This record gives sequence, structure tokens and C-alpha cells, in this order.
Amino acid sequence: GAGVSQSPSNKVTEKGKDVELRCDPISGHTALYWYRQSLGQGLEFLIYFQGNSAPDKSGLPSDRFSAERTGGSVSTLTIQRTQQEDSAVYLCASSRRTSGSNNEQFFGPGTRLTVL
Amino acid sequence: AQSVSQHNHHVILSEAASLELGCNYSYGGTVNLFWYVQYPGQHLQLLLKYFSGDPLVKGIKGFEAEFIKSKFSFNLRKPSVQWSDTAEYFCAVNPELSGTYKYIFGTGTRLKVLA
Repeated sequence: GAGVSQSPSNKVTEKGKDVELRCDPISGHTALYWYRQSLGQGLEFLIYFQGNSAPDKSGLPSDRFSAERTGGSVSTLTIQRTQQEDSAVYLCASSRRTSGSNNEQFFGPGTRLTVL
Repeated sequence: AQSVSQHNHHVILSEAASLELGCNYSYGGTVNLFWYVQYPGQHLQLLLKYFSGDPLVKGIKGFEAEFIKSKFSFNLRKPSVQWSDTAEYFCAVNPELSGTYKYIFGTGTRLKVLA
């Protein structure tokens, strides 16, 4: 079956440019998460969406980062005025539930962002 | 704040050696526990998980993990590693609180198995 997909797989941009990263979750999964994975770091939580509820943006590192989820499905992570420290792999995950059993998160392949 | 510690950042083993990767977390309540693996060039995938019941959990590819509540640990083990186990391994904790959905990940352990 189809898993979580992300696009683009790689993105190289110049400092100061805006970028958009896309995530298509597994059909039927109500929860969607964005993480950032930097070299030598763990997975850093960025933002979480659950159904039509207001997203939890507590992990976003600055106001240059924003995300939306349209129609409870596809999500876009936008980074404005990119900086070199934004270079990382951005991972998207989805889950059927948000707690308890069966809240396993399924991860996409990630988008590798390089800011020159 | 809740945290997850993986003390071994890099591990190098020969094939057939036994493996144990440590994972400790700081949260006193009920938790769901996970180990994820990321093979070179592939995305993160679930290795095994613990929600309740038998604290010894068996996962794919011969891996197992033991939840020791008194030690706040969920160490990953495999009796005999193979070259194909070369990957990065992440421990994750999901505190079982009402409305809590976040996973807290460790920084990962890079395992290299020499043929």
C-alpha cells in the first residue's frame, strides 16, 4: 500500500530564498507530524496536526517556519528567508491515532534541504 | 522536560557479535516505547514497540527489547548481528498522557557491522 510520500526529495536553495516542502500522509491517518533531522542530532519535533484541530506549533524554531494542512490531508512546510542552519532532512510522519496503542508513526523518505 | 538518552552514538561490531543498545528516558508515568531503524538511503521504519503487557518485546529481523520500568530503560538487543544490520537506530518515547501525542526521540546510534 502507499506510504507517506514527500517532495521534493532534495532541495538546494540560496540563502534568503523561500522553500516549500510537501507531505502526503497515508490515507485515513488523522495525525500528521513534521520533524527535522540534523547531522548528529535526533529528530526534532516541529509541528503536529490532528484532524481539524488547531496545530501544535510549539516546535517551530522561528517565525520563518510555518505549515499548513489542507483538507485534513496534504501538508506543506514553508521556510521563509532560508538560512544555512536550516539545512537538514525534513521528515513527515502520519499516524492513525495520537495516543495509546496503534499510534505508531509512519515516516516518509524525507526532504534533504541544503541552503547555500 | 522529558528526554530520551542513547548513550552509544557509534557502535562497531563484527558479524555474529551480540548487540545491546541503551535507551533511557526521563518520565515517571506510563509510556509507549519504540525503536526505529534507518538503513542507509532508506526512511525510518519501525523495528518494535511496547505498549503494555510482556516487557520483553520481539520485533523484526531478530531484534528484541526489554522494558525495565524501575530503570526507565528500553534497551535493544540482538544475539547475533549481520552485516545488513548496519543502520542508525533511534529510540522514541510517547508519554501516555491525555492529549499527549508527541514522540520524544533519542539522538540515535550508528551501528556498523563489519563483514
